[in-house]
Amino acid sequence: QVHLVESGGGVVQPGRSLRLSCTASGFIFSSYAMHWVRQAPGKGLEWVAVLAHDGTNKYHADSVKGRFTISRDNSKNTLYLQMDSLRPDDTAVYYCAKDGERYRADYFDSWGQGTLVIVSS
Amino acid sequence: DIVMTQSPDSLAVSLGERATINCKSSQSVLYSAKNKNYLAWYQQKPGQPPKLLIYWASNRESGVPDRFSGSGSGTDFTLTISSLQAEDVAVYYCQQCYSSPPTFGGGTKVEIK
Repeated sequence: QVHLVESGGGVVQPGRSLRLSCTASGFIFSSYAMHWVRQAPGKGLEWVAVLAHDGTNKYHADSVKGRFTISRDNSKNTLYLQMDSLRPDDTAVYYCAKDGERYRADYFDSWGQGTLVIVSS
Repeated sequence: DIVMTQSPDSLAVSLGERATINCKSSQSVLYSAKNKNYLAWYQQKPGQPPKLLIYWASNRESGVPDRFSGSGSGTDFTLTISSLQAEDVAVYYCQQCYSSPPTFGGGTKVEIK
């Protein structure tokens, strides 16, 4: 049974940094691309970033490019999202999501419960 | 980016009746070489993360009740709940995975009439 647990959220001032973590279990973590998807309060879903199973290829949404960095440690079954230069419009629940296919298909078959990030002075 | 447009924004359906949600993409998400439509559907209940229902437009995810079905091709897609149950109250999202970045529709809220 796939289990994804996010952590690291909280309240942070604009311009500051935060690092989110996602610990995975129940599947071969090193075989799957992993994603971050966010949801602002009362709003829809926005894809944030993806990282290939082996960490070789990574892509970020234009809205976070240059400020956020996705990474992973396959020895720890953990996905990360380093968030720098945070802005109030980054306020959202951040979900870690597993890719639906081994070769990366960009749909999401398992999601964590999410971690809330609030950017406010 | 491919824009996904869902309709209606919300709908109220009686228990046991059919619910139909539409999703339109700004360009085709059909990959002809594989004859696959790169379209997924998710259900999100209040306070919960999204749950995958359908992938490749019509493949039901394991464990999803067979009252949920997906159809369509190219740019026009439909999620159908054949007989609405109380536990189906949720927001439903379509998402294209044809090209990066993956993009979602705005969501359709389903309620009981």
